[in-house]
Amino acid sequence: GNSVTQMEGPVTLSEEAFLTINCTYTATGYPSLFWYVQYPGEGLQLLLKATKADDKGSNKGFEATYRKETTSFHLEKGSVQVSDSAVYFCALSNSANTGNQFYFGTGTSLTVIP
Amino acid sequence: DVKVTQSSRYLVKRTGEKVFLECVQDMDHENMFWYRQDPGLGLRLIYFSYDVKMKEKGDIPEGYSVSREKKERFSLILESASTNQTSMYLCASSHGQPIAKNIQYFGAGTRLSVL
Repeated sequence: GNSVTQMEGPVTLSEEAFLTINCTYTATGYPSLFWYVQYPGEGLQLLLKATKADDKGSNKGFEATYRKETTSFHLEKGSVQVSDSAVYFCALSNSANTGNQFYFGTGTSLTVIP
Repeated sequence: DVKVTQSSRYLVKRTGEKVFLECVQDMDHENMFWYRQDPGLGLRLIYFSYDVKMKEKGDIPEGYSVSREKKERFSLILESASTNQTSMYLCASSHGQPIAKNIQYFGAGTRLSVL
């Protein structure tokens, strides 16, 4: 089947610290991988995506590389800011499925303190 | 910018009531989705629709139904609300096929409490 596992939170970092949020997946075929972010009081919005192995998605200083050999899509940022405080969701989509084609992780809450 | 609007941010209902959650998108998207978001469980798909009057069950359709009479509007219906349906409900939309290849745009969510 298809599933996404991401690291438990909450994560608390000081401003300018390095961020890693781990995400691994299980899927048949060739899924696409996504990171969505949910700021307080808002819906989810796409942060970055990768559609095939070895692709790197990047946006707003965040990066994630689609690693098929380790079935991972870890989110990284070199220097976090207070404004990055949010909940981050790893997700996969799989067009080989009938019915539901999207699977989300449980979310990781990040708080950045000045 | 794509806008997905959910009619209520907060709702409080009583057990047994019929509840309607409304969602409207303004980008002529073909696909629309209803999720519920619960702590420790992430987002779980309830129903989705890829065209007017078309609907598909997601992973947790029990206790819910949906209606898509117009392209821009997708309604989630709780026929007889129960306390275990207390949750955050998120609507999303996307453009085109295959569904899996396209970015979903989310509304701000409706927090429903069933007492």
